[in-house]
Amino acid sequence: EAEVAQSPRYKITEKSQAVAFWCDPISGHATLYWYRQILGQGPELLVQFQDESVVDDSQLPKDRFSAERLKGVDSTLKIQPAELGDSAMYLCASSSIPGRRDGYTFGSGTRLTVV
Amino acid sequence: RKEVEQDPGPFNVPEGATVAFNCTYSNSASQSFFWYRQDCRKEPKLLMSVYSSGNEDGRFTAQLNRASQYISLLIRDSKLSDSATYLCVVNNDRDDKIIFGKGTRLHILP
Repeated sequence: EAEVAQSPRYKITEKSQAVAFWCDPISGHATLYWYRQILGQGPELLVQFQDESVVDDSQLPKDRFSAERLKGVDSTLKIQPAELGDSAMYLCASSSIPGRRDGYTFGSGTRLTVV
Repeated sequence: RKEVEQDPGPFNVPEGATVAFNCTYSNSASQSFFWYRQDCRKEPKLLMSVYSSGNEDGRFTAQLNRASQYISLLIRDSKLSDSATYLCVVNNDRDDKIIFGKGTRLHILP
Protein backbone atom coordinates (compact mmCIF):
# COMPACT_ATOMS: atom_id res chain seq x y z
CA GLU A 1 0.00 0.00 0.00
CA ALA A 2 1.36 3.41 -0.98
CA GLU A 3 2.42 5.60 1.91
CA VAL A 4 3.12 9.20 2.69
CA ALA A 5 6.63 9.39 4.12
CA GLN A 6 7.47 11.85 6.86
CA SER A 7 10.65 12.47 8.79
CA PRO A 8 11.75 12.73 11.47
CA ARG A 9 9.22 10.80 13.58
CA TYR A 10 10.20 12.69 16.71
CA LYS A 11 12.00 15.96 17.25
CA ILE A 12 12.98 17.72 20.45
CA THR A 13 14.28 21.23 20.08
CA GLU A 14 14.97 24.17 22.30
CA LYS A 15 12.88 27.28 21.92
CA SER A 16 14.27 29.86 19.52
CA GLN A 17 15.96 27.12 17.47
CA ALA A 18 15.06 26.28 13.89
CA VAL A 19 13.39 22.99 13.01
CA ALA A 20 12.38 21.42 9.70
CA PHE A 21 10.08 18.57 8.74
CA TRP A 22 10.02 16.67 5.48
CA CYS A 23 7.19 14.98 3.63
CA ASP A 24 7.14 12.81 0.50
CA PRO A 25 3.57 12.26 -0.70
CA ILE A 26 2.22 9.27 -2.56
CA SER A 27 3.55 9.26 -6.09
CA GLY A 28 1.29 11.16 -8.44
CA HIS A 29 -0.64 12.97 -5.70
CA ALA A 30 -0.83 16.60 -6.75
CA THR A 31 -2.34 17.94 -3.54
CA LEU A 32 -0.29 18.04 -0.37
CA TYR A 33 -1.36 19.29 3.04
CA TRP A 34 0.47 20.13 6.24
CA TYR A 35 -1.59 19.89 9.41
CA ARG A 36 -0.80 20.62 13.04
CA GLN A 37 -2.53 18.60 15.72
CA ILE A 38 -2.34 19.65 19.35
CA LEU A 39 -3.05 16.89 21.85
CA GLY A 40 -6.78 16.44 22.30
CA GLN A 41 -7.69 18.49 19.25
CA GLY A 42 -8.43 17.71 15.63
CA PRO A 43 -5.84 18.44 12.94
CA GLU A 44 -5.74 22.07 11.78
CA LEU A 45 -4.63 22.96 8.28
CA LEU A 46 -1.43 24.98 8.06
CA VAL A 47 -0.82 24.95 4.31
CA GLN A 48 -2.17 23.29 1.18
CA PHE A 49 -0.23 22.84 -2.05
CA GLN A 50 -1.48 22.05 -5.51
CA ASP A 51 1.63 20.83 -7.31
CA GLU A 52 4.25 23.46 -6.40
CA SER A 53 1.76 26.27 -5.74
CA VAL A 54 0.35 27.28 -2.38
CA VAL A 55 -3.44 27.08 -2.48
CA ASP A 56 -4.15 28.01 1.12
CA ASP A 57 -1.76 29.22 3.80
CA SER A 58 -4.20 31.45 5.64
CA GLN A 59 -3.63 29.61 8.94
CA LEU A 60 0.16 29.45 8.65
CA PRO A 61 1.93 31.75 11.15
CA LYS A 62 4.09 33.32 8.50
CA ASP A 63 6.31 35.20 10.90
CA ARG A 64 7.90 31.94 11.94
CA PHE A 65 6.59 29.17 9.67
CA SER A 66 7.45 28.55 6.04
CA ALA A 67 6.63 25.76 3.65
CA GLU A 68 7.82 24.89 0.19
CA ARG A 69 7.26 22.26 -2.46
CA LEU A 70 9.71 23.40 -5.09
CA LYS A 71 9.32 20.63 -7.64
CA GLY A 72 5.76 19.76 -6.81
CA VAL A 73 6.74 16.49 -5.19
CA ASP A 74 8.19 16.44 -1.67
CA SER A 75 7.73 19.28 0.77
CA THR A 76 9.48 20.90 3.72
CA LEU A 77 7.88 22.74 6.62
CA LYS A 78 10.15 24.96 8.67
CA ILE A 79 9.73 26.75 11.98
CA GLN A 80 12.16 29.48 12.96
CA PRO A 81 12.31 30.33 15.79
CA ALA A 82 10.42 27.54 17.55
CA GLU A 83 8.23 28.47 20.50
CA LEU A 84 6.93 26.35 23.36
CA GLY A 85 3.41 26.52 21.92
CA ASP A 86 4.59 24.85 18.72
CA SER A 87 4.80 21.50 20.50
CA ALA A 88 2.37 19.29 18.56
CA MET A 89 2.10 16.54 15.97
CA TYR A 90 2.78 17.78 12.44
CA LEU A 91 0.96 15.68 9.88
CA CYS A 92 1.39 15.60 6.14
CA ALA A 93 -1.35 14.27 3.86
CA SER A 94 -1.78 13.93 0.14
CA SER A 95 -4.60 13.31 -2.28
CA SER A 96 -4.96 12.67 -5.99
CA ILE A 97 -7.18 14.51 -8.45
CA PRO A 98 -9.76 13.16 -8.75
CA GLY A 99 -9.49 11.14 -5.61
CA ARG A 100 -11.60 12.67 -2.99
CA ARG A 101 -13.71 9.59 -2.76
CA ASP A 102 -10.59 7.78 -1.65
CA GLY A 103 -10.07 10.24 1.12
CA TYR A 104 -6.70 11.55 2.13
CA THR A 105 -3.68 9.54 3.18
CA PHE A 106 -1.65 10.75 6.12
CA GLY A 107 1.95 10.16 6.95
CA SER A 108 2.94 8.93 10.41
CA GLY A 109 3.58 12.50 11.52
CA THR A 110 6.41 14.28 13.26
CA ARG A 111 5.94 14.79 16.98
CA LEU A 112 7.64 18.03 17.95
CA THR A 113 8.51 18.92 21.52
CA VAL A 114 9.88 22.38 22.17
CA VAL A 115 11.66 22.75 25.49
CA ARG B 1 -20.03 28.51 14.66
CA LYS B 2 -17.21 26.08 14.00
CA GLU B 3 -17.02 24.64 10.50
CA VAL B 4 -17.21 21.05 11.69
CA GLU B 5 -18.60 20.14 15.08
CA GLN B 6 -18.70 16.76 16.74
CA ASP B 7 -20.22 15.27 19.86
CA PRO B 8 -18.06 15.95 22.87
CA GLY B 9 -16.49 12.85 24.36
CA PRO B 10 -15.34 10.62 25.73
CA PHE B 11 -17.92 7.91 25.16
CA ASN B 12 -17.52 4.96 27.52
CA VAL B 13 -19.46 2.05 26.06
CA PRO B 14 -19.64 -1.63 27.09
CA GLU B 15 -18.38 -4.17 24.61
CA GLY B 16 -21.13 -5.36 22.29
CA ALA B 17 -23.17 -2.17 22.52
CA THR B 18 -24.10 0.11 19.64
CA VAL B 19 -22.63 3.59 19.60
CA ALA B 20 -23.48 6.56 17.42
CA PHE B 21 -21.41 9.63 16.60
CA ASN B 22 -22.84 12.82 15.17
CA CYS B 23 -21.23 15.62 13.23
CA THR B 24 -22.57 18.87 11.81
CA TYR B 25 -20.94 21.12 9.23
CA SER B 26 -21.55 24.76 8.44
CA ASN B 27 -20.54 25.06 4.78
CA SER B 28 -23.47 24.05 2.59
CA ALA B 29 -21.09 23.84 -0.40
CA SER B 30 -19.32 20.87 1.15
CA GLN B 31 -19.38 17.88 -1.14
CA SER B 32 -17.27 15.09 0.34
CA PHE B 33 -17.48 13.61 3.77
CA PHE B 34 -15.40 11.09 5.64
CA TRP B 35 -14.94 9.43 8.98
CA TYR B 36 -11.38 8.90 10.13
CA ARG B 37 -10.14 6.85 13.03
CA GLN B 38 -7.12 7.94 15.05
CA ASP B 39 -5.41 5.75 17.61
CA CYS B 40 -3.44 7.36 20.43
CA ARG B 41 -0.30 9.07 19.12
CA LYS B 42 -0.88 7.76 15.61
CA GLU B 43 -1.92 9.41 12.39
CA PRO B 44 -5.58 9.53 11.31
CA LYS B 45 -6.63 6.71 9.01
CA LEU B 46 -9.61 6.65 6.71
CA LEU B 47 -12.43 4.58 8.16
CA MET B 48 -15.02 5.23 5.50
CA SER B 49 -16.32 7.77 3.04
CA VAL B 50 -19.87 8.96 3.53
CA TYR B 51 -22.18 8.80 0.53
CA SER B 52 -25.46 10.60 0.03
CA SER B 53 -27.42 7.37 0.04
CA GLY B 54 -25.71 6.17 3.20
CA ASN B 55 -23.27 3.31 3.24
CA GLU B 56 -22.33 0.35 5.34
CA ASP B 57 -19.07 -1.49 5.88
CA GLY B 58 -19.46 -4.44 8.19
CA ARG B 59 -20.38 -3.15 11.62
CA PHE B 60 -20.05 0.48 10.54
CA THR B 61 -22.81 2.56 8.96
CA ALA B 62 -22.45 6.14 7.80
CA GLN B 63 -25.31 8.48 7.00
CA LEU B 64 -25.46 11.94 5.42
CA ASN B 65 -28.30 14.43 5.69
CA ARG B 66 -27.52 17.35 3.39
CA ALA B 67 -30.61 19.32 4.33
CA SER B 68 -29.60 19.33 7.99
CA GLN B 69 -25.86 19.37 7.21
CA TYR B 70 -25.41 16.39 9.45
CA ILE B 71 -23.29 13.24 9.28
CA SER B 72 -23.45 10.22 11.51
CA LEU B 73 -21.45 7.08 12.19
CA LEU B 74 -22.98 4.03 13.81
CA ILE B 75 -20.89 1.20 15.21
CA ARG B 76 -22.76 -2.02 16.00
CA ASP B 77 -21.54 -4.84 18.23
CA SER B 78 -18.63 -2.72 19.41
CA LYS B 79 -15.27 -4.39 20.05
CA LEU B 80 -12.48 -3.45 22.41
CA SER B 81 -10.38 -2.67 19.34
CA ASP B 82 -12.86 0.06 18.34
CA SER B 83 -11.46 2.24 21.13
CA ALA B 84 -10.02 5.28 19.37
CA THR B 85 -10.81 8.86 18.43
CA TYR B 86 -13.24 9.26 15.54
CA LEU B 87 -12.78 12.34 13.39
CA CYS B 88 -15.40 13.81 11.10
CA VAL B 89 -13.91 15.30 7.93
CA VAL B 90 -15.63 17.59 5.45
CA ASN B 91 -14.33 18.73 2.08
CA ASN B 92 -15.31 21.62 -0.14
CA ASP B 93 -14.46 20.02 -3.44
CA ARG B 94 -14.22 23.35 -5.23
CA ASP B 95 -11.00 24.30 -3.47
CA ASP B 96 -10.18 20.87 -2.07
CA LYS B 97 -10.06 22.31 1.42
CA ILE B 98 -10.57 19.67 4.08
CA ILE B 99 -11.72 20.50 7.57
CA PHE B 100 -11.52 18.21 10.57
CA GLY B 101 -13.74 18.09 13.58
CA LYS B 102 -12.06 17.91 16.98
CA GLY B 103 -12.85 14.23 17.23
CA THR B 104 -14.77 12.12 19.69
CA ARG B 105 -12.95 9.67 21.91
CA LEU B 106 -14.48 6.25 22.29
CA HIS B 107 -13.60 3.81 25.06
CA ILE B 108 -15.04 0.32 24.77
CA LEU B 109 -15.24 -1.27 28.19
CA PRO B 110 -14.79 -5.04 28.72
